[in-house]
Amino acid sequence: QVTLKESGPGILQPSQTLSLTCTFSGFSLSTYGMGVGWIRQPSGKGLEWLANIWWDDDKYYNPSLKNRLTISKDTSNNQAFLKITNVDTADTATYYCARIGGLRYFDYWGQGVMVTVSS
Amino acid sequence: DTVLTQSPALAVSPGERVSISCRASEGVNSYMHWYQQKPGQQPKLLIYKASNLASGVPARFSGSGSGTDFTLTIDPVEADDTATYFCQQSWNDHTFGAGTKLELK
Repeated sequence: QVTLKESGPGILQPSQTLSLTCTFSGFSLSTYGMGVGWIRQPSGKGLEWLANIWWDDDKYYNPSLKNRLTISKDTSNNQAFLKITNVDTADTATYYCARIGGLRYFDYWGQGVMVTVSS
Repeated sequence: DTVLTQSPALAVSPGERVSISCRASEGVNSYMHWYQQKPGQQPKLLIYKASNLASGVPARFSGSGSGTDFTLTIDPVEADDTATYFCQQSWNDHTFGAGTKLELK
């Protein structure tokens, strides 16, 4: 059974760095073809892809946010991480992590974690 | 960026057939996927690579298309299908459509 769960700070101030953790089970990021992606959704709005990390440590970023994003993983502990630097109110959203495979669709999603950026 | 355009909303009666469209600004081969999202829940994969039904998804859902024009069809629609439906392409990075809100009459 594949499960993913996101965790984060809840609230942070503008200009700070947002650190998110995705803890998963039922698959391994050391398995060929496996990956984890991060997607966010402001309240009442659409989905925005942020970044993917793959089993071989390949990383892909949304070009519009690339300068602010860092994705990483801890294979032994079944975790993936995302850092977003210099946040502002536009980064307020629910952040999801999801499993991704070779055809590059997100087949299992976490429940999401709400992040609010406010002074 | 590959922009995906969806109609914003549709209203149908239970038992009817509904088609939800997604048009890409450039060709995405068949790397188009569809998700259902109900209020307060995470998205759920319905269709992958244009026409493949995801595991556990009822056969009332189907997908078609290639290149730039894709369609998600629900036939027949049930009350539980009230949700927002998003398309997503993975041919050129990843982008999502803005979503189509499906309401039942």
